[in-house]
Formats: sequence, structure tokens, C-alpha cells
Amino acid sequence: AQSVTQPDIHITVSEGASLELRCNYSYGATPYLFWYVQSPGQGLQLLLKYFSGDTLVQGIKGFEAEFKRSQSSFNLRKPSVHWSDAAEYFCAVGALKGGGNKLTFGTGTQLKVEL
Amino acid sequence: SAVISQKPSRDICQRGTSLTIQCQVDSQVTMMFWYRQQPGQSLTLIATANQGSEATYESGFVIDKFPISRPNLTFSTLTVSNMSPEDSSIYLCSVVVPNEKLFFGSGTQLSVL
Repeated sequence: AQSVTQPDIHITVSEGASLELRCNYSYGATPYLFWYVQSPGQGLQLLLKYFSGDTLVQGIKGFEAEFKRSQSSFNLRKPSVHWSDAAEYFCAVGALKGGGNKLTFGTGTQLKVEL
Repeated sequence: SAVISQKPSRDICQRGTSLTIQCQVDSQVTMMFWYRQQPGQSLTLIATANQGSEATYESGFVIDKFPISRPNLTFSTLTVSNMSPEDSSIYLCSVVVPNEKLFFGSGTQLSVL
């Protein structure tokens, strides 16, 4: 069965500092990997996704993530955090097309940004 | 992309009653899903809403508790039946668009007293 682990429940960074949110997955085949952000009172927004190809993927809002198969990881990074990045971040893994894109989510990492 | 309208955005309900959540998409989509996010937890897939046929439920979820309708390719409803406080969660509708992106509605915050 597929699973996702986000080991950090809460992270606090200063505005302008770099950010890395960890994500480890377990999946029996080539995974589809996603990062979503959930701002207070809003729905989930897709930041980026990895299906295949270049293991470093660029997303919206200046985020990027690197797929490392050997480590079963898909960590999210941003070189300089803005106060508006404060939100909850979810990593997710999905099946290939035959699975209909049903996703398994991690438990989320709550990001707090100090001014 | 897809614009998803989900309503109500929040509701407070009494134990034993039922609530129907609506999900409207601005384009025809093949696949629609319903997720639940319990307080302090991640999202869990409830079911896949199939157009023209019965929904496909995940382990731990049953049709009697969470009946789902999908009358066409742009609309679905999820009903939370005979509610208890344990049903207090955020319920999210999501859709897959042709480039395989998954979009989510803004969610329905349900509180059961």
C-alpha cells in the first residue's frame, strides 16, 4: 500500500530564510508525487507535481521539489520564504493513470513565518 | 484548470441529522472525488463519484453513511447521514482534469453538536 510521511508537524522560519519541508513515500511502482498548500479558510492548491523526467521540478510561488528515488523522498524547498507562505503543506503520492489519480496524503506540515 | 464551487462552506448541525454538500465544476470532468480531513489529520479519500453509476467507496466508508450522487459530468453531491460529533471534519470535493492535475474545492467545514 502507498503511504506518505511528513516527519515535521510544525516548522517555523524567519522571513527571507530558506525552507525545506520533508516528504518520504512508500510506493510499489513509479509514483506520481505532489505538493499541495492549504491556506487558512481555503482549499488545497497544487504547488507542483512530479510524474517523470527531470527530478527537480519547479512549481508556483517560487517552490521547487526534488525527487530522490534512492531515498524515497520528495522534499519541498524555497530559497527565500515570504510571510504569505505561512500555511499547511501536504505531500501526496498517487497511482498512475489506471489508479485514477487517487491520492494518499501525508499528515501535513504547518509552516509559520516569523517577521 | 478547473474552478470548483463547493457549498455550503461551513455548517453546524445537530446529531442525528444529515447534510448534503454540493460540488459544481465549471467544466466537464471525468473523475470526481470526495475527501475528508478530520481535525489535525491529513486528507482521506472517501469515494470516487462515478457519473451514471454508484460511487466507489474506500475501505471504512459505506454508502449508507455517505451517499453520493453524480448526475452529470459537472456536478456531484455528498451526504453525511445520521451525523455524530465524530463526523466533524472538512469535506473536500476534487476533480481530475485532462492534463492529470487534481484540483480541490475550498471545502465544507462541518461541525456536529
